[in-house]
Amino acid sequence: AQRVTQPEKLLSVFKGAPVELKCNYSYSGSPELFWYVQYSRQRLQLLLRHISRESIKGFTADLNKGETSFHLKKPFAQEEDSAMYYCALSTGGGSNYKLTFGKGTLLTVNP
Amino acid sequence: NAGVTQTPKFQVLKTGQSMTLQCAQDMNHNSMYWYRQDPGMGLRLIYYSASEGTTDKGEVPNGYNVSRLNKREFSLRLESAAPSQTSVYFCASEGGGAGDTQYFGPGTRLTVL
Repeated sequence: AQRVTQPEKLLSVFKGAPVELKCNYSYSGSPELFWYVQYSRQRLQLLLRHISRESIKGFTADLNKGETSFHLKKPFAQEEDSAMYYCALSTGGGSNYKLTFGKGTLLTVNP
Repeated sequence: NAGVTQTPKFQVLKTGQSMTLQCAQDMNHNSMYWYRQDPGMGLRLIYYSASEGTTDKGEVPNGYNVSRLNKREFSLRLESAAPSQTSVYFCASEGGGAGDTQYFGPGTRLTVL
């Protein structure tokens, strides 16, 4: 069965410091991974997906199949990055499609 | 294009009362989902509908029922609310294409006293 683990419930950094939010997954097939962000009392929004290999709001994430990881990184954190971040794993297709979420990491960027 | 909308935004119920949470999407998506979000538990899937006319249980379906009324609408019903159902409920939809992902509604904050 697929699983997503975000080992840190809370992460606190200072403005301008690098930040890394960890995500590990367990899945025997070919994974599709995503990062979602939820700002205070707002809906979840897709931040980025691994197949796009994009950088959004300065964040990047690289899929490491050997380590089964998809860590989210930003070189210089900003206060507006404070939010809850969820890693998610997509598996299957059609009626078998499933999106499995990690339990989330609350990032606080201090001034 | 409103995306995914949910009503109501807030609701307070007494134990034993019933209510229906409404969700609609205007993106012509095939699949729709209901999640609950609780502190320290992340998002947990309650029910989903892979296509119009079908529904399936997710991780935590007990105490809930759903109806996929048409392609646009997917409702979640609590027949007899319990304090354990106090949560924030999110609806999501997904198109079903390769590499697609889910788009979320703004959430319904439900308190059961």
